[in-house]
Amino acid sequence: QVQLVESGGGVVLPGRSLRLSCAASGFTFSNYAMHWVRQAPGKGLEWVAIMSYDGSYKDYAESVKGRFTISRDNSKNTLYLQMKSLRPEDTAVYYCAREDSASYSYWGQGTLVTVSS
Amino acid sequence: QSALTQPASVSGSPGQSITISCTGASSDVGTYNAVSWYQQHPGKAPKLMIYEGSKRPSGVSNRFSGSKSGNTASLTISGLQAEDEADYYCCSYAGSIFGGGTKLTVL
Repeated sequence: QVQLVESGGGVVLPGRSLRLSCAASGFTFSNYAMHWVRQAPGKGLEWVAIMSYDGSYKDYAESVKGRFTISRDNSKNTLYLQMKSLRPEDTAVYYCAREDSASYSYWGQGTLVTVSS
Repeated sequence: QSALTQPASVSGSPGQSITISCTGASSDVGTYNAVSWYQQHPGKAPKLMIYEGSKRPSGVSNRFSGSKSGNTASLTISGLQAEDEADYYCCSYAGSIFGGGTKLTVL
């Protein structure tokens, strides 16, 4: 069965960096575009970034452009999100999600990132 | 782009039907048949319920249906059950934007 497992979250000071990972299993990872979506505490969902199946295309939400970098290692079935210059407003649960037919068909359980001094 | 507009809350009694609306613009909801709906229970990850406006993934109850008219998409849940109580989000793949979410209460 499809599984997505995020890791790497934690508490970090404003201005610091953090790297999230999403380990995929149960499907051919290299065939699918992947996304990061986040949810601030008590708030709605916000799309963060996309990477195409082969890594040739990536895009970001305006709120993270220039600070976050999405990448993937298809040999390790893993998606990454490198986050730099973190701000308190980046505090959220970060989910990775698989794309199917212009939707997010499978989601991980999420990893919490807290940016606070 | 602004978030898609959803009502903050809706409610219904067991067995009844409810509809949640999702209003966007001609550049997203109105042009593309790429609206999806997600159910999220407290503390859990979102779950895909409807994709491409009206299609149900395998395993999703046929009590859930989606439609679209102009710039507004809708999710209808018929035969409400207690376990349907959750937050629901619409999303337009065009523009990568979500609605603000609707809290469904089953009375």
